[in-house]
Amino acid sequence: GDSVTQMEGPVTLSEEAFLTINCTYTATGYPSLFWYVQYPGEGLQLLLKATKADDKGSNKGFEATYRKETTSFHLEKGSVQVSDSAVYFCALRSTDYKLSFGAGTTVTVRA
Amino acid sequence: NAGVTQTPKFRVLKTGQSMTLLCAQDMNHEYMYWYRQDPGMGLRLIHYSVGEGTTAKGEVPDGYNVSRLKKQNFLLGLESAAPSQTSVYFCASSRGRDYEQYFGPGTRLTVT
Repeated sequence: GDSVTQMEGPVTLSEEAFLTINCTYTATGYPSLFWYVQYPGEGLQLLLKATKADDKGSNKGFEATYRKETTSFHLEKGSVQVSDSAVYFCALRSTDYKLSFGAGTTVTVRA
Repeated sequence: NAGVTQTPKFRVLKTGQSMTLLCAQDMNHEYMYWYRQDPGMGLRLIHYSVGEGTTAKGEVPDGYNVSRLKKQNFLLGLESAAPSQTSVYFCASSRGRDYEQYFGPGTRLTVT
């Protein structure tokens, strides 16, 4: 079945550092890809998405590009803030419209 | 507009006890979902509903039952809790199958 693999955490960074979280997927057909963020004590929120190859999703300074050739959707931010501390989930929506999530990566940003 | 709410936030059960988790949404969404989140495994779909009065099994439905008697509510039941059901449970809703899912804040359940 379709699945998502993302880099394990936890990741600890200093403020203004560059963040990359790797995500690769296995899927039949052409899935849509998502990054969700979960702040402490809250539910998941959609951070960004891409629905076809070479699409770039962006939001709040985060970016991810749908790379069909490498089956990847890596999340990047050029300068993180303490407020970016959260758990980040990569996910794909299969052709049957179900969401499959990666295991999540915990990011802590220190001032 | 509260979005998706879940009741309760925390619960501790003994093995064999039963309980019901309530999910409510005020966005008039057709689709609702129940997930469980376990360390190192991401979220897994338990059951979902595509409209009032309908339910369907997800990836890990065993040991759970659900009901959608009203469009705005989706209930998740555990008839005989087991320690393997210790998890964080999230409810979500969406307008349709290819629309964004909105998540509730979660319920942390511990079964001893």
